[in-house]
Amino acid sequence: AQSVTQLGSHVSVSEGALVLLRCNYSSSVPPYLFWYVQYPNQGLQLLLKYTSAATLVKGINGFEAEFKKSETSFHLTKPSAHMSDAAEYFCAVSVFSGTYKYIFGTGTRLKVLA
Amino acid sequence: DAGITQSPRHKVTETGTPVTLRCHQTENHRYMYWYRQDPGHGLRLIHYSYGVKDTDKGEVSDGYSVSRSKTEDFLLTLESATSSQTSVYFCAISGQGQENTEAFFGQGTRLTVV
Repeated sequence: AQSVTQLGSHVSVSEGALVLLRCNYSSSVPPYLFWYVQYPNQGLQLLLKYTSAATLVKGINGFEAEFKKSETSFHLTKPSAHMSDAAEYFCAVSVFSGTYKYIFGTGTRLKVLA
Repeated sequence: DAGITQSPRHKVTETGTPVTLRCHQTENHRYMYWYRQDPGHGLRLIHYSYGVKDTDKGEVSDGYSVSRSKTEDFLLTLESATSSQTSVYFCAISGQGQENTEAFFGQGTRLTVV
């Protein structure tokens, strides 16, 4: 069975500092991996996805993530935080086993300090 | 944005009453999902559908039923609402193939059971 663990339910960074949100996954077969962002009172928006092509994936708004099979990790980074990055971020895993199902982590709320 | 509409967007209902939430898509995607979002739990899968009249249970399906009589509509029914079902409910859709690996989300329905 697949699972996702996000370390840190709340992360605070200063504006201009590096953003690092951690995600570890468990899957018995090569997974698809995703990062989503959720702004208050909105649905989830896809930031980026890994689908077994390049291990370093670039997404929207300057975010990127690196798939590391040996560490079963897919951490999200951004070199310089902006106030508008304040939101909740979810890591998700999907494996096709007859059908697609998406399993989400518990989320990390990012706060950006001025 | 993917064409997903959830209705209603907000609902307050009394304990013991049945409630139906609707998800409508205009993307002709095969897969549809219902999730609930609760603080500290992230998104948890309630039910999903892999085609018309083809549905299956997710991890938190007790007290919920679904129906999909048309490709574009996926209904979630709370048979007898309880306070523990107060939550934000999200519908998601996904397609098939390597180019359609991600899920797209609706704006959510905030349900309060009093």
